[in-house]
Amino acid sequence: LAKTTQPISMDSYEGQEVNITCSHNNIATNDYITWYQQFPSQGPRFIIQGYKTKVTNEVASLFIPADRKSSTLSLPRVSLSDTAVYYCLVGLLIKAAGNKLTFGGGTRVLVKP
Amino acid sequence: EPEVTQTPSHQVTQMGQEVILRCVPISNHLYFYWYRQILGQKVEFLVSFYNNEISEKSEIFDDQFSVERPDGSNFTLKIRSTKLEDSAMYFCASSGGLRGVTGELFFGEGSRLTVL
Repeated sequence: LAKTTQPISMDSYEGQEVNITCSHNNIATNDYITWYQQFPSQGPRFIIQGYKTKVTNEVASLFIPADRKSSTLSLPRVSLSDTAVYYCLVGLLIKAAGNKLTFGGGTRVLVKP
Repeated sequence: EPEVTQTPSHQVTQMGQEVILRCVPISNHLYFYWYRQILGQKVEFLVSFYNNEISEKSEIFDDQFSVERPDGSNFTLKIRSTKLEDSAMYFCASSGGLRGVTGELFFGEGSRLTVL
């Protein structure tokens, strides 16, 4: 499994864009990049997933360069409710026995008023 | 929106006691998981379950742990003889509907286990 490295914490202010970069130098050809969000005392929640280039949904954008050795989660115009821990995970999308997703330390994002 | 539900939300037990944590995955999902998170630490994979058998397990998932899908809806995690270090939030997750496996795991709200 590819190991991921992301900043421990980031502070931001309401209305700003937050970009969290994750390094995954050993990503394998079949690996996908997935981001989860976790609020205190809640289970992680899927945000976005991608393989290459750019993926956008109603919540975030995910930028993946051509070499796929890193990825950047972009949260546009954050609000106080976006304060959470954000996890970058790398692993197989399709696996007959189900996905074993390994969570790293995550990035604790604090949005200030 | 379908969701994964877990019971109990909080359980307090004495060291050495058996505990069963229950989960109802999303109805058409095929893959089931247990994760745990010790307070202030990262989310750790315990076990994945597919087609009525364990497909992967971590080194944490030793002989004191077992999982079962006793009927068509419940998915349980049993800890036979709890230890103080088993105190954690335990999350159940499910994935993979009839259209196939995706990278999205749906997590429940967790069961907090406190071992005294």
